[in-house]
Amino acid sequence: NAGVTQTPKFRILKIGQSMTLQCTQDMNHNYMYWYRQDPGMGLKLIYYSVGAGITDKGEVPNGYNVSRSTTEDFPLRLELAAPSQTSVYFCASKTKYEQYFGPGTRLTVT
Amino acid sequence: AQSVTQLDSQVPVFEEAPVELRCNYSSSVSVYLFWYVQYPNQGLQLLLKYLSGSTLVESINGFEAEFNKSQTSFHLRKPSVHISDTAEYFCAVSVGGGGNKLTFGTGTQLKVEL
Repeated sequence: NAGVTQTPKFRILKIGQSMTLQCTQDMNHNYMYWYRQDPGMGLKLIYYSVGAGITDKGEVPNGYNVSRSTTEDFPLRLELAAPSQTSVYFCASKTKYEQYFGPGTRLTVT
Repeated sequence: AQSVTQLDSQVPVFEEAPVELRCNYSSSVSVYLFWYVQYPNQGLQLLLKYLSGSTLVESINGFEAEFNKSQTSFHLRKPSVHISDTAEYFCAVSVGGGGNKLTFGTGTQLKVEL
């Protein structure tokens, strides 16, 4: 099993551009999450999903959108990139109690 | 809403010395508690968890944490650290329901020196 995979690993965006961060898991987990990690701030939840077709906002959803059309995939969309979205983004999926994290996407918006 | 406090942002320690990384939480309901470890340029990995039962939980690489309900703490300890333990450690809490969301602390950077 590959676990949780994320693409791309790195990306530089110009202000106002859009992009989609991809996340795929092969563990058949219903629960999936998107976090952002900023230095000294820990991880903040952006959006989460409890199953295909169901998504909900986390702590910091502004500027992002998600969809969950399949159990495996949970893409995160940035529509109008802003410098404040410069961060490392982690996707995770969950068994009953344990979250499994992907390797992250490092995004810089300039 | 629950919250997690990790007071120490950095903890330097010499190899083979003991270490304690502190974690306090607040919640009005019963919690599940977790420690995650993040090695440089990697995602987070679960180190250990407390769900119920024995208040002392252990990991396979020598770390342990004790759930103290009266002090609302879940401190992480290791009696003798190794260079390879250098990493960032995150304490997290979940109250179940509502997507079983995790609330993370701000992390503690453990730096093991020779």
